[in-house]
This record gives sequence, C-alpha cells and structure tokens, in this order.
Amino acid sequence: DTGVSQDPRHKITKRGQNVTFRCDPISEHNRLYWYRQTLGQGPEFLTYFQNEAQLEKSRLLSDRFSAERPKGSFSTLEIQRTEQGDSAMYLCASSLSRTRETEAFFGQGTRLTVV
Amino acid sequence: GNSVTQMEGPVTLSEEAFLTINCTYTATGYPSLFWYVQYPGEGLQLLLKATKADDKGSNKGFEATYRKETTSFHLEKGSVQVSDSAVYFCALSAPQGLIKAAGNKLTFGGGTRVLVKP
Repeated sequence: DTGVSQDPRHKITKRGQNVTFRCDPISEHNRLYWYRQTLGQGPEFLTYFQNEAQLEKSRLLSDRFSAERPKGSFSTLEIQRTEQGDSAMYLCASSLSRTRETEAFFGQGTRLTVV
Repeated sequence: GNSVTQMEGPVTLSEEAFLTINCTYTATGYPSLFWYVQYPGEGLQLLLKATKADDKGSNKGFEATYRKETTSFHLEKGSVQVSDSAVYFCALSAPQGLIKAAGNKLTFGGGTRVLVKP
C-alpha cells in the first residue's frame, strides 16, 4: 500500500511528557500538511511543507509544537510538555503541487490522549 | 478569513431514502470546494470536488453543485445504502491572493454524521 502512513496510530502520555509523531507521505508528493481534529469537529490546519520548507504555520501551533521535514520526505510533529488540551487526532496529508485543486490524501491519523 | 458551515448531525435515514447535507462557505478569492468522507475506523477520503462556479462534482451516486451566488455546495444522494453511513466533511481550498504559501490548505466544516438503517 503506497498511501499516507502515520505512526503510531495511538499514543497515551502523561501530562508534561514530550511526544513525537511520524508521517510518511505518498512518495512522489512534495506537499505535506498536518491537521488536528478534536472529537466532533472538523480537521483544523496546523502547518504545511513544500519539500523540506515549512511555508505556513497556524496560530494553533503554539511554541510547544514543532514540525520538521528534513529531507522533503517523511515529517515529524513533536509536542513538548503535553497538556490535556492537546488530546486530539493528528492527521497528516500529502499532495502534488501541480495545481491548487490537486487532491490531498490523508493518513489514518495518530490519536493522542494526554492523561 | 475562510470558513465552512455545514448542517449538524446526526442524520438518520432509512435505506433508499434521499440524503441532503447543506454546506455554505465564506472565502476570499475563488475557492475550490470538496466533500470528504470518513468511514468508521478509516481516514478521510475525497468524495467529490468542484473547482469553479456551476461545476458539479459527482462520485458513487453523490452529487454537489458549486453555487457561487448562494456560496453553497450541498451534498445529495438519491438513494442511500447502509454502507453510506459515515461522517461527511465539506471543505474549501482558497489561496490567499497570490501568496504562494497557501498551497492546498483545506478549511473544513464541523462534519455531519449520517446513519443509514436497513
């Protein structure tokens, strides 16, 4: 299967701990996005990469959040000093930059629970 | 800023009933419009899209028409099946003027859960 994959699928952590999630996009896709989805809500944009460059960050992305895409392939999202309000599903998506209508493909997400 | 509003669920229907999910949007520029579907235990999947006014997107018996005059993109299906039970999200992609950084960033509505009973 060559879709978008995310790891881990589930993560339970204690408040104050750091967590890191990984996203592997579809191999030829140069754009990669992170979204956060809380229960009963639609996904909210967090950040966006074109190749290895992080081109946009949402105001939702506090200083405790950092994302990287070091070689323009996989990406990591790290949350430092987790808070209970960080509990959510974190979604990764990828697309090609041919046109703005190009479909974004989503992974199955990483569900984070902060206890 | 950009926003999407869709009807709240859950929507409960009997098999073969007609389904409509309302979606309206606010956006700068000329957005592309999408419907995504999330089946239980699965990731978001693109259901259909429309990129300009009066375009009709269609897939798997679902249809939606891009109405610029009413800023709407309502989803319809004439005869639903149990397998259509899912959460449906309306979304838009609207570059911020000429800012290259906008990419294909999506703005989603809150989602509508649909339950189809046999």
